[in-house]
Amino acid sequence: DIQMTQSPSFLSASVGDRVTLSCKASQNINKYLAWYQQKLGEAPKLLIYNANSLQTGIPSRFSGSGSGTDFTLTISSLQPEDVATYFCLQHNSWPLTFGSGTKLEIK
Amino acid sequence: EVQLVESGGGLVQPGRSLKLSCAASGFTFSNYYMAWVRQAPKKGLEWVATISTSGSRTYYPDSVKGRFTISRDNAKSSLYLQMNSLKSEDTATYYCARHAQPTVAHADYWGQGVMVTVSS
Repeated sequence: DIQMTQSPSFLSASVGDRVTLSCKASQNINKYLAWYQQKLGEAPKLLIYNANSLQTGIPSRFSGSGSGTDFTLTISSLQPEDVATYFCLQHNSWPLTFGSGTKLEIK
Repeated sequence: EVQLVESGGGLVQPGRSLKLSCAASGFTFSNYYMAWVRQAPKKGLEWVATISTSGSRTYYPDSVKGRFTISRDNAKSSLYLQMNSLKSEDTATYYCARHAQPTVAHADYWGQGVMVTVSS
């Protein structure tokens, strides 16, 4: 199985900050990486797919980059409503596997 | 509007069985691969099963293979997860999810989830 490693596990930042979250795959997954946002008590919401494609309806402050094994989710200007846990998912090969998440809080 | 509504969760003893259901609406159900994903309390996410549009192909991770069976009824726009020989480590919120493409791709819509507790 492909292992997905996210860092950091926890991040505290101020409103307006540029925030960068990392996700690394244990082997090449091409561009097949998705990012999800999960707020407390809610289902995950798709933000980014195929590494850098923004899901419809998601604010443009969210962006994704990377390919192969190293990927990044960037929030260009952190907003209070962005408090959540963020998961990456590799959808290159079965079984699909998630990272352990980055919990993002407002400082 | 795409809606996925899970049902059938609850408290079950170890070794027993439980069947989850997911009612889909707002899209042509038969055109999409569907999946179940679970999340143990305060833990990460684990992909549990995927089924093709016709139901002819299914995918499971080793953790549930041989115990869980995913199925679908396209006429009823419904997805199911039959869980047998349940273990305490199967305790989790189970989400019904729609694959974004007719293949094993990322999921674009998720239900709100249903809780399954395996305990004596």
